[in-house]
Amino acid sequence: NAGVTQTPKFRILKIGQSMTLQCTQDMNHNYMYWYRQDPGMGLKLIYYSVGAGITDKGEVPNGYNVSRSTTEDFPLRLELAAPSQTSVYFCASRGDQQGTDTQYFGPGTRLTVL
Amino acid sequence: QKEVEQNSGPLSVPEGAIASLNCTYSDRGSQSFFWYRQYSGKSPELIMFIYSNGDKEDGRFTAQLNKASQYVSLLIRDSQPSDSATYLCAVRSDYKLSFGAGTTVTVRA
Repeated sequence: NAGVTQTPKFRILKIGQSMTLQCTQDMNHNYMYWYRQDPGMGLKLIYYSVGAGITDKGEVPNGYNVSRSTTEDFPLRLELAAPSQTSVYFCASRGDQQGTDTQYFGPGTRLTVL
Repeated sequence: QKEVEQNSGPLSVPEGAIASLNCTYSDRGSQSFFWYRQYSGKSPELIMFIYSNGDKEDGRFTAQLNKASQYVSLLIRDSQPSDSATYLCAVRSDYKLSFGAGTTVTVRA
């Protein structure tokens, strides 16, 4: 199993550009999450999904959108990039029940908006 | 507001000593508790999870949970230079995991 994969690893955007961060998991997990981590800070939840077709906002959703058309994929869309979106983005997934509810993280995408 | 607070670092310990990390959480309905380790520039990786009050040991790591006090801790025994990292406490309530800001541990050789 590859676990959780994310692409790209690095990206530089200009202010106002858009992009999609890709996230795929092969563990058949229903729950998937997008976090951002600013330097020296913990992880802040952007959006999450409890299954295909179901998404909901986390703590910091402004400026982002998500979709979940399949169990495996959970892309994060940035529209009109702003310098405040410079961060490291992590995707994660987990199983449903206590005992399988450990979140597994992808390797991250380091995004810089100039 | 569901919050997770960790003791502020950085924490510097000599090699072979015990590192003690603390975490408190605000949501009494929290169900699962996790400790993640994060090396600089890497993604968080799970060290321990604990669901019930008491202690849970795994090798050099011991997690302690006290739901009445809303308190979780992690002890690292016989600290090694490879333990130098940031440790994140995470608490699950319903669908979501809330993270503390992390405590950076440096193990001095």
